[in-house]
Amino acid sequence: DAMVIQNPRYQVTQFGKPVTLSCSQTLNHNVMYWYQQKSSQAPKLLFHYYDKDFNNEADTPDNFQSRRPNTSFCFLDIRSPGLGDAAMYLCATSRDTLASGFYEQYFGPGTRLTVT
Amino acid sequence: EDQVTQSPEALRLQEGESSSLNCSYTVSGLRGLFWYRQDPGKGPEFLFTLYSAGEEKEKERLKATLTKKESFLHITAPKPEDSATYLCAVQAPWGRDDKIIFGKGTRLHILP
Repeated sequence: DAMVIQNPRYQVTQFGKPVTLSCSQTLNHNVMYWYQQKSSQAPKLLFHYYDKDFNNEADTPDNFQSRRPNTSFCFLDIRSPGLGDAAMYLCATSRDTLASGFYEQYFGPGTRLTVT
Repeated sequence: EDQVTQSPEALRLQEGESSSLNCSYTVSGLRGLFWYRQDPGKGPEFLFTLYSAGEEKEKERLKATLTKKESFLHITAPKPEDSATYLCAVQAPWGRDDKIIFGKGTRLHILP
């Protein structure tokens, strides 16, 4: 089945220790997103890629970086995690809006990040 | 400012007790409205897209409707397995691209 895969599902890191979360997709979608979701809150968009065109949300902290080496993979790097960065990180994909017109998003299962 | 507001925040129903969840939005130039279901500890699962006022979509016990200011997710005769958080999101123009704005969701709990 075509899907969005995130690894690891659970990640524990120490305060200030860099961490990388990964996402892969077999849907062949052009657009990929990273969201941060804290308990009982709406998913908050951090970045999105339209193909290799990187789009950073204005309020995304510099501590967060992203890479998309090819269509299938996308990475989220947190350079110096703080306690406030503990959250669920969701990766999503969608089809090219030129083809579909609409951003129906398909989400991975998420990575739960704990910062100690 | 563009906003998406969902109500109620939480809803407890008895099995078989029908109800509706609300998503109201204030955006300039709605392109699409989406409903997602999210189970605890999992990513959101796409349910419906609504494109224009008056449109309705159905899937099993769920029916989504759209007006110019809000959308409703109607749940008919719910079962305990319908318990989840239901998220609403809207797509609106933003420069050369579009933006997606999520609501905080409604936590639905169906009691057996």
